[in-house]
Amino acid sequence: DGGITQSPKYLFRKEGQNVTLSCEQNLNHDAMYWYRQDPGQGLRLIYYSQIVNDFQKGDIAEGYSVSREKKESFPLTVTSAQKNPTAFYLCASSADRGKLFFGSGTQLSVL
Amino acid sequence: AQRVTQPEKLLSVFKGAPVELKCNYSYSGSPELFWYVQYSRQRLQLLLRHISRESIKGFTADLNKGETSFHLKKPFAQEEDSAMYYCALPVDTDKLIFGTGTRLQVFP
Repeated sequence: DGGITQSPKYLFRKEGQNVTLSCEQNLNHDAMYWYRQDPGQGLRLIYYSQIVNDFQKGDIAEGYSVSREKKESFPLTVTSAQKNPTAFYLCASSADRGKLFFGSGTQLSVL
Repeated sequence: AQRVTQPEKLLSVFKGAPVELKCNYSYSGSPELFWYVQYSRQRLQLLLRHISRESIKGFTADLNKGETSFHLKKPFAQEEDSAMYYCALPVDTDKLIFGTGTRLQVFP
């Protein structure tokens, strides 16, 4: 079954805690993305990676970190520096400019 | 600044009525534009791209460079068209920016 897998579906963060969201793809895509989806604000780009071992900041990278050690994996860490982390997080991959395949998302909430 | 604007948060129509979801852009250069759709409890997915000039599920979108618009249109709305629609613009090589989205509600 090909596609993008995000886990977990729901995640809770305590104050001061770092949490990591997983994103795996078996589509053999070079590019991967993390977006944050908030009601009324659409999708905002956090980080993206065009190739293994390389990534770029998006529009709202502060308080987040990523790694791209393998082509298939692009985990996102929400650090304690992110003061408003409650949101729906979407991961995507792409092999063709503008044509993204999305995961089913992770809802992060603060306890 | 490169930007995508969707001025309507919500658009409500009755089944069989025409639909037009608005999208305006700001981009220096020759833009490519996309429409994505998110149905309830489903993943966000590509609906159509302007470069292919195709009709998907009865929807079409024409790039109007003079008005910097890429409005999504359907002549006769169906209840199953109810969803969240996002206009998107690639900037730089692989970076894709989205508008704030428009929720389409089609009433029976």
